[in-house]
Amino acid sequence: GAVVSQHPSRVICKSGTSVKIECRSLDFQATTMFWYRQFPKQSLMLMATSNEGSKATYEQGVEKDKFLINHASLTLSTLTVTSAHPEDSSFYICSARVPGLVGYEQFFGPGTRLTVL
Amino acid sequence: QKEVEQNSGPLSVPEGAIASLNCTYSDRGSQSFFWYRQYSGKSPELIMSIYSNGDKEDGRFTAQLNKASQYVSLLIRDSQPSDSATYLCAVERAGNKLTFGGGTRVLVKP
Repeated sequence: GAVVSQHPSRVICKSGTSVKIECRSLDFQATTMFWYRQFPKQSLMLMATSNEGSKATYEQGVEKDKFLINHASLTLSTLTVTSAHPEDSSFYICSARVPGLVGYEQFFGPGTRLTVL
Repeated sequence: QKEVEQNSGPLSVPEGAIASLNCTYSDRGSQSFFWYRQYSGKSPELIMSIYSNGDKEDGRFTAQLNKASQYVSLLIRDSQPSDSATYLCAVERAGNKLTFGGGTRVLVKP
């Protein structure tokens, strides 16, 4: 499958600081990437769709001014959690949608575990 | 009614047996369906995709789709302890977005 990387894998920060997470497609170009959040013992929840060269589209209930998404190139999307608070502590995972043999498939990066103190 | 529903488990299976996982979805217009495996603390890994009614086999895994019944299943044959994980059913909706079920935890006992 397609390879998606994320950096950093783990970050601990103080409340009120901003954290940037990078998502890269390593062996393909991705015009669309997705950002998910997963709280302990819960399933993945889609936060936003990142579109190369245009604004991201956010799911209902996700604050676009808090979770800034930039998709400046075909291989890189970034998620910035601004003024992070303890309730933002979660597992953030990006994915990219690529054509498979029959239809499109989504492959996930390894995730970034954010802990806000 | 949740958009994608799965039994949370745990589903306990003896080593070498068949694990059977089920998933139902509410959007009758959905066309693309996926099974992901997620180990604790890791991100999801795609193991199967299925787009048309019937069975699709890949190694020890078989996915089954019945669009009329809005039902997707996954069979894991010859279950191994390394198959112990949470299995997520995902359905693609408008905008190429995936909606995930809550996941079924599978425990394969030696």
